[in-house]
Amino acid sequence: NAGVTQTPKFQVLKTGQSMTLQCAQDMNHEYMSWYRQDPGMGLRLIHYSVGAGITDQGEVPNGYNVSRSTTEDFPLRLLSAAPSQTSVYFCASSYSWAGETQYFGPGTRLLVL
Amino acid sequence: KNQVEQSPQSLIILEGKNCTLQCNYTVSPFSNLRWYKQDTGRGPVSLTIMTFSENTKSNGRYTATLDADTKQSSLHITASQLSDSASYICVVSPISNFGNEKLTFGTGTRLTIIP
Repeated sequence: NAGVTQTPKFQVLKTGQSMTLQCAQDMNHEYMSWYRQDPGMGLRLIHYSVGAGITDQGEVPNGYNVSRSTTEDFPLRLLSAAPSQTSVYFCASSYSWAGETQYFGPGTRLLVL
Repeated sequence: KNQVEQSPQSLIILEGKNCTLQCNYTVSPFSNLRWYKQDTGRGPVSLTIMTFSENTKSNGRYTATLDADTKQSSLHITASQLSDSASYICVVSPISNFGNEKLTFGTGTRLTIIP
């Protein structure tokens, strides 16, 4: 199993550009989520999905869109990048929600100029 | 607001020594408490998950304890190794309904092991 994979590893964007961060898992997990990690702050939830076709907002959803057309993939779209979106983004998955171990991807480091 | 506070912010110890990291939380009621290890430039990796009814859980040289009355948890690392150098993150999960995601993450303790 590859586990949770994320691409790209690193990306530089200009303000106003859009892009998609890719996340895929091969563990047949129903639950997937996107977090951002900023210095001095705990991980914050952006969006999550409890299964294909079902998504919901987390703590900091503004400026981001998600969709879940398959169990395996959960892409995160930045609609119009802003410097405040400079961060490290982690995708995570788990078999279900309650009390399950979350498996995190290696992260995407995003710099918005 | 639910909070998770970890101490110390950073810690440096000699290889082979033991250490204890602290986590205080205000999440209540809560479902489970998790400890993660995050190596520099990598994603967090789960070390332990404890439900509110568990007092201790071990994973090799890592032992987590939980006192639900005082809302405190600790992570004890025995006979530290250079590979233990990482950030350790405490995460508390509240009791929640289906579709309601409210995990609260601490900011982590940065542990450095020196030879």
